[in-house]
Amino acid sequence: AQSVTQPDIHITVSEGASLELRCNYSYGATPYLFWYVQSPGQGLQLLLKYFSGDTLVQGIKGFEAEFKRSQSSFNLRKPSVHWSDAAEYFCAVGARDDYKLSFGAGTTVTVRA
Amino acid sequence: NAGVTQTPKFQVLKTGQSMTLQCAQDMNHEYMSWYRQDPGMGLRLIHYSVGAGITDQGEVPNGYNVSRSTTEDFPLRLLSAAPSQTSVYFCASSYTRNTEAFFGQGTRLTVV
Repeated sequence: AQSVTQPDIHITVSEGASLELRCNYSYGATPYLFWYVQSPGQGLQLLLKYFSGDTLVQGIKGFEAEFKRSQSSFNLRKPSVHWSDAAEYFCAVGARDDYKLSFGAGTTVTVRA
Repeated sequence: NAGVTQTPKFQVLKTGQSMTLQCAQDMNHEYMSWYRQDPGMGLRLIHYSVGAGITDQGEVPNGYNVSRSTTEDFPLRLLSAAPSQTSVYFCASSYTRNTEAFFGQGTRLTVV
């Protein structure tokens, strides 16, 4: 079965600074990989996904993520953070022969002025 | 443009009561699922369905029942509520295996 680790529980970043959120997965083959964002009191919204092909994936709101097979990682980045990026971010992994998604515990991002 | 609709948004139950959380999607998605979200634990899969009449257990199924009589609806039943079921519950749907999952707004359930 697949699993996901998000090592950082909470990150504080200044507005305008860059952001990187870490995600490591465990799966025996090439997985499907996702990043979701959850604003307070809201459901989850998909930021980006990786299925195959180019390992650098562009998403919405200026986010990108890079799949590194050798490191079993799928880290999320944004060059310049806006106050509206304050939220909780979840990495998720899916197996190619299964419907189920496994989610990490989440990383809460605080943006300071 | 409804997407995935969950009702109610908030609910308080007494220990031992039963209730049903409703989930409906209007995107003709074959796959639907229920998650619970608890602080520091991410989302954990309770039950899922790959089509009408087909359901299966996820990671944390105990105390919950589901059924899928139509493509659109996937209700989650709490048989006898316990304080450990206090959580935020999310319903999600997707078109096929591991395409994007669309989430509802969640139901915040408190069991006292």
